[in-house]
Amino acid sequence: EDQVTQSPEALRLQEGESSSLNCSYTVSGLRGLFWYRQDPGKGPEFLFTLYSAGEEKEKERLKATLTKKESFLHITAPKPEDSATYLCAVRDDYSSASKIIFGSGTRLSIRP
Amino acid sequence: EAGVAQSPRYKIIEKRQSVAFWCNPISGHATLYWYQQILGQGPKLLIQFQNNGVVDDSQLPKDRFSAERLKGVDSTLKIQPAKLEDSAVYLCASGGNANTGELFFGEGSRLTVL
Repeated sequence: EDQVTQSPEALRLQEGESSSLNCSYTVSGLRGLFWYRQDPGKGPEFLFTLYSAGEEKEKERLKATLTKKESFLHITAPKPEDSATYLCAVRDDYSSASKIIFGSGTRLSIRP
Repeated sequence: EAGVAQSPRYKIIEKRQSVAFWCNPISGHATLYWYQQILGQGPKLLIQFQNNGVVDDSQLPKDRFSAERLKGVDSTLKIQPAKLEDSAVYLCASGGNANTGELFFGEGSRLTVL
């Protein structure tokens, strides 16, 4: 069964304290790995797409990387406004459909 | 560009009652998804449409949930009868290109079943 596992479930950091979030996946035919940000009471907001091992994407203080079995979301010198739940998702092609499966997320809290 | 619209934002019902949620996707988006998000969990795909055809409904509890997409645009998700475990946020998303993972989500409809 296709699975997406994120760790840790929750992470509390001090402002400026860099860290990484992990997303490991087991899918039969990976056709992309995606990172989303979700604020309380809102729908997820797209951040990045990664397609192949070794690929990296950056946006402000966030950098996403991909290996054959996992992805990392690195956050450098975070600010309180980076507090949110970060969701990882994978696209697994089967038959003619393109199924996007989400992990449970990492709740990130940045203290001023 | 207008985003994905959902209504109602909040709904409280008693178990065994019925409820319907409405979604208007971004204009021109062929794919439409309904996800269920239980508190503290990630979104779980319920059903995926391509235009007005269903391409995946393997995780939709068909004995109580139904969904349709009218003329390949708006969509409704219905629950009848509701159970306590249906309490969740129901998220609608649309995508312009099935080859990317860039989905545009609405703000969701929060259902509480008492």
